[in-house]
Amino acid sequence: LAKTTQPISMDSYEGQEVNITCSHNNIATNDYITWYQQFPSQGPRFIIQGYKTKVTNEVASLFIPADRKSSTLSLPRVSLSDTAVYYCLVALGGKLIFGQGTELSVKP
Amino acid sequence: GAGVSQSPRYKVTKRGQDVTLRCDPISSHATLYWYQQALGQGPEFLTYFNYEAQPDKSGLPSDRFSAERPEGSISTLTIQRTEQRDSAMYRCASSLQGPGTGELFFGEGSRLTVL
Repeated sequence: LAKTTQPISMDSYEGQEVNITCSHNNIATNDYITWYQQFPSQGPRFIIQGYKTKVTNEVASLFIPADRKSSTLSLPRVSLSDTAVYYCLVALGGKLIFGQGTELSVKP
Repeated sequence: GAGVSQSPRYKVTKRGQDVTLRCDPISSHATLYWYQQALGQGPEFLTYFNYEAQPDKSGLPSDRFSAERPEGSISTLTIQRTEQRDSAMYRCASSLQGPGTGELFFGEGSRLTVL
């Protein structure tokens, strides 16, 4: 079963770029890598998903090296409203496993 | 429906009682997941359905927990003989695409408190 490891917490300031790296050493060939954002008292919300190389959407970028044993979520120019918990997860078959998440705190 | 709907939003029960939580996924979504989330923790996988089939229920903590999705749409999660340690937020999510791919859409959750 692929497990994920990511930093417990990170601090940043408004306007900075934030990069959160996740390790998934045992990722299987068919696994996708997905990132979710969760605010207090809300359900997780999809941010981005990728399989390899780089994926970009309107809110984030996801960088996946060739060996796919890690991935980096990049949030450009964060704002106070980006303060949340960010989860990296991989899928093994149909099972989507969330890790502990990274609590991002954005300060003025 | 427009989004994933869960009921009840809040449930307080006494230890030993049975509880059933309901999830109404987005129409036509094939895959449905149940998670348990304790305060300050990440969501813990319980089980998932692909239409009415339940390929994986390895995350269910004990045989007191069961889930079903008989017609491939609405799902229920039942906890029998509830214990205080069952107190948590129970989250349901659905996905249009097959297991493991695509975006999960989460409901607002059902907060269970066992006294």
